[in-house]
Amino acid sequence: NAGVMQNPRHLVRRRGQEARLRCSPMKGHSHVYWYRQLPEEGLKFMVYLQKENIIDESGMPKERFSAEFPKEGPSILRIQQVVRGDSAAYFCASSPQRIDEQYFGPGTRLTVT
Amino acid sequence: KNEVEQSPQNLTAQEGEFITINCSYSVGISALHWLQQHPGGGIVSLFMLSSGKKKHGRLIATINIQEKHSSLHITASHPRDSAVYICAVREEGGATNKLIFGTGTLLAVQP
Repeated sequence: NAGVMQNPRHLVRRRGQEARLRCSPMKGHSHVYWYRQLPEEGLKFMVYLQKENIIDESGMPKERFSAEFPKEGPSILRIQQVVRGDSAAYFCASSPQRIDEQYFGPGTRLTVT
Repeated sequence: KNEVEQSPQNLTAQEGEFITINCSYSVGISALHWLQQHPGGGIVSLFMLSSGKKKHGRLIATINIQEKHSSLHITASHPRDSAVYICAVREEGGATNKLIFGTGTLLAVQP
């Protein structure tokens, strides 16, 4: 059973470009969480999704950030018009049920130049 | 004040030493997680616990719900244990499973 997969592992974008981060949860997991780790800071919750639904987006910046988890395919975290402050490691985690243990992916390290 | 506090922030130990990392939290929780992150690496879940004690190999995690405190112990530490150890809690009664993280403890075990 493959673990949580994220791609790309490293992503470089210039200011103003769009960044798309993908997360494939573990097989059988229908709950996905996105977390952000800014340089020298701790992890922060961004958004929680179930298939086709956003359950909690209280940690998402109000502008430029969006997330989806379609019926088929991976979850996508999309950042429009990236700025240098978006440079961070973005981790995805998945769980089979809401209250279960979360399994983390390897992360995507976004660098905005 | 952070909802989840860890101590110490940095810890250097000699190989073979017994190590303790502490986590205190200020909210009611339904579960507490201990995670491990190697530099530049991914995150591995070590334990999820809501009461008592769990053991896995040389790692032991305990939690005291009344005192809102958890400890992670490493027995017979080894240089490969060098990593950041992160405590995270899931608030009770929340509609989601989101985690609130401590800032981590950077552990360096020297040979």
